[in-house]
Amino acid sequence: DAGVIQSPRHEVTEMGQEVTLRCKPISGHDYLFWYRQTMMRGLELLIYFNNNVPIDDSGMPEDRFSAKMPNASFSTLKIQPSEPRDSAVYFCASSLGNTDTQYFGPGTRLTVL
Amino acid sequence: SQQGEEDPQALSIQEGENATMNCSYKTSINNLQWYRQNSGRGLVHLILIRSNEREKHSGRLRVTLDTSKKSSSLLITASRAADTASYFCATDALSFQKLVFGTGTRLLVSP
Repeated sequence: DAGVIQSPRHEVTEMGQEVTLRCKPISGHDYLFWYRQTMMRGLELLIYFNNNVPIDDSGMPEDRFSAKMPNASFSTLKIQPSEPRDSAVYFCASSLGNTDTQYFGPGTRLTVL
Repeated sequence: SQQGEEDPQALSIQEGENATMNCSYKTSINNLQWYRQNSGRGLVHLILIRSNEREKHSGRLRVTLDTSKKSSSLLITASRAADTASYFCATDALSFQKLVFGTGTRLLVSP
């Protein structure tokens, strides 16, 4: 397996624009997680899915953030409209169980100007 | 507040020395995991220790768990420059139903 795949790897956009981050989990993993990492706040769990259903979105910062998982092999994290404070590295991870070993993707480095 | 807190925040050593990082947590757990993150990369799982285990080894890694003190330590023996990375503990607190990552320890190993 190629591991967790994320795209794009880098995204630079202007404030107010819509940003869509994509993730393909490891085949067979039932859980998918979206994290955000910044120097100031560290690694934060935004939302996670089980069998394509959102289970816990308590970490989603505000309504500008939304996540979907239309099928077992694809998930998106959308920010609309984006703001400079959204600049961070966004990681997707997948696992067999909600507290099992997580496998992280390479991340998307987002810069909002 | 964070379930896991690593200590120290940063550690600088010479190649060949041992590196010890500590993790403290607040509530009962099923297991505790350690991850490594190289600069600009995603986290990579290193080792998992269950609540009924006290010590576990994997290569140059040694992890201990003291559930009475709610703490764990990660020891890297005979460190190498390639061990330079951030190290995170993650706990599956029974009340959270998910992994909660700590703040990480930045390890710098100089040649």
